[in-house]
Amino acid sequence: NAGVTQTPKFRILKIGQSMTLQCTQDMNHNYMYWYRQDPGMGLKLIYYSVGAGITDKGEVPNGYNVSRSTTEDFPLRLELAAPSQTSVYFCASILRTDRHYTEAFFGQGTRLTVV
Amino acid sequence: GESVGLHLPTLSVQEGDNSIINCAYSNSASDYFIWYKQESGKGPQFIIDIRSNMDKRQGQRVTVLLNKTVKHLSLQIAATQPGDSAVYFCAENNYGQNFVFGPGTRLSVLP
Repeated sequence: NAGVTQTPKFRILKIGQSMTLQCTQDMNHNYMYWYRQDPGMGLKLIYYSVGAGITDKGEVPNGYNVSRSTTEDFPLRLELAAPSQTSVYFCASILRTDRHYTEAFFGQGTRLTVV
Repeated sequence: GESVGLHLPTLSVQEGDNSIINCAYSNSASDYFIWYKQESGKGPQFIIDIRSNMDKRQGQRVTVLLNKTVKHLSLQIAATQPGDSAVYFCAENNYGQNFVFGPGTRLSVLP
């Protein structure tokens, strides 16, 4: 099925552990985003990518890293998990050309708890 | 800096009434705006979008209005149904670099 797929759906980490949140899309979208959503809050941008090999920081990048080796995949890496990173993480993608945007698609989210 | 905010954090409406959710944005250079619906435990779901060269756009039971003069965006839902209960986010985009989301408005539909 076309769309944005995130794995895992749920994860519990201990402080100091590391993990990678996977995101893949099969719509050939050039722009991809990682957001986090804290309880009762809106989405805040962590990192984004405008195409393979290009990434840039968003509003809250500290504690995270990303890579974009292919158009399809945009993994988010947490190196030293901290309780402040307990959140729900959403990946999104959109196709943008000079004159056109597609609708942005979101994954179903990864609920991460750091204890 | 850029910011998108909402006037009302919660909104309760009677089933069958019309709902209006408002949003203010601060970046006059934003050229694309989206309304999303988020149900509990799910990711944001696209509702409707509008580009900065338009004032109004209609979908099925939803209408988005854009007032660039006062940098205001609204979402109108006609004949609100129980299934419309969710958190609604507006988001602005400036030439594709980023979507800036507001904090969200919770819509509760009363029977």
